[in-house]
Amino acid sequence: RKEVEQDPGPFNVPEGATVAFNCTYSNSASQSFFWYRQDCRKEPKLLMSVYSSGNEDGRFTAQLNRASQYISLLIRDSKLSDSATYLCVVNVGNQFYFGTGTSLTVIP
Amino acid sequence: DAGVIQSPRHEVTEMGQEVTLRCKPISGHDYLFWYRQTMMRGLELLIYFNNNVPIDDSGMPEDRFSAKMPNASFSTLKIQPSEPRDSAVYFCASTTGDEQYFGPGTRLTVT
Repeated sequence: RKEVEQDPGPFNVPEGATVAFNCTYSNSASQSFFWYRQDCRKEPKLLMSVYSSGNEDGRFTAQLNRASQYISLLIRDSKLSDSATYLCVVNVGNQFYFGTGTSLTVIP
Repeated sequence: DAGVIQSPRHEVTEMGQEVTLRCKPISGHDYLFWYRQTMMRGLELLIYFNNNVPIDDSGMPEDRFSAKMPNASFSTLKIQPSEPRDSAVYFCASTTGDEQYFGPGTRLTVT
């Protein structure tokens, strides 16, 4: 079983839509959690860390459910510039496990 | 800070040749990771170092791959001999233990 599993999509949504991505992880000893964004032919970049209490950064909201071993990312009022692949990342003992990514395309 | 620096950015080589990829981590970061990314397999961890010492190399595909970190500011990933199935983007990333910062990657094509 993979350490981190994500729905690969693709998600094609109109501008202004709200879209949610989900991710599950298998190791209950996981310590920290992140969402990374990767644009085509670019390196992954940190979008936001995910905290147990949930956290928000502008139009982006991340949530963690340790009991269900589940992480989510909500994007409100989607912009064309949000089109990218979103990677769920879990840190276990200084090793980082990446999901395969969820592809998002925001359509005008 | 310039961020993580990788070279070369692109490499095209023939099967059987030796390839060396280079990475300079962010100053002060004590962890360095090498990843490989392909469409089929996504992002795979190859090896990581802590304070220049290799900690886990279980992701290194086979003996053709080797990695070194002679000092805190430099690491290499070597493939010898290279094969077409090694074609991928190779990323280096560094961290102090929390979020990782990636270099721009080396796009390797082996013909």
